[in-house]
Amino acid sequence: EVQLVESGGGLVQPGESLRLSCAASGFTFSTFWMHWVRQAPGKGLVWVSHINSDGSETNYADAVKGRFTISRDNAKNTLYLQMNSLRAEDTARYFCVRDWIGFDYWGQGALVTVSS
Amino acid sequence: AIQMTQSPSSLSASVGDRVTITCRASQGIGNDLTWYQQKSGKAPKLLIYAASNLQSGVPSRFSGSGSGTDFTLTISSLQPGDFATYYCLHEYTYPYTFGQGTRLEIK
Repeated sequence: EVQLVESGGGLVQPGESLRLSCAASGFTFSTFWMHWVRQAPGKGLVWVSHINSDGSETNYADAVKGRFTISRDNAKNTLYLQMNSLRAEDTARYFCVRDWIGFDYWGQGALVTVSS
Repeated sequence: AIQMTQSPSSLSASVGDRVTITCRASQGIGNDLTWYQQKSGKAPKLLIYAASNLQSGVPSRFSGSGSGTDFTLTISSLQPGDFATYYCLHEYTYPYTFGQGTRLEIK
């Protein structure tokens, strides 16, 4: 069974950093592209970032470019999102997503709250 | 960045109704479009990939069509479990963008 389990969310102050992790199981993690998608409370889905299967290619939404870094450790079957210089508008649930002809598996999300 | 305009933003319908949701891309995206269903408090679920292909396990009352800039998601006969929010997503080039969502409510 495919599982994606996010962790690392929490409450931080503006300007601080946080690292999200996504533990993958039930599939060959190293062969899939992965993404992060976020959803602010009561709002729609927003694509955040992508990484290819070996980590050599990454892409970001303009809103997070230069502040967020996506990475992966295929030996540990884990996806990461390093979030720096956090802002109030980054408050959202962050979903880890597998990409296989569409975003076919989603984690339950990690809640990040940025507030003073 | 490619913009996805989804309409309507909300829709009231009854069980058994046929409903159509539309997404329009600001430039041509071929058939690189997917549709998702999200129920309250849950992660989204993939319904349609490559504009018109039904994801495994998704009921056949869901269908997708379109290419280029105009796409539709149709539910042929609404069931109680279909009342949710629906999103389109283009996967043509980065950055990917979702439509604003369509909230489907019970009339």
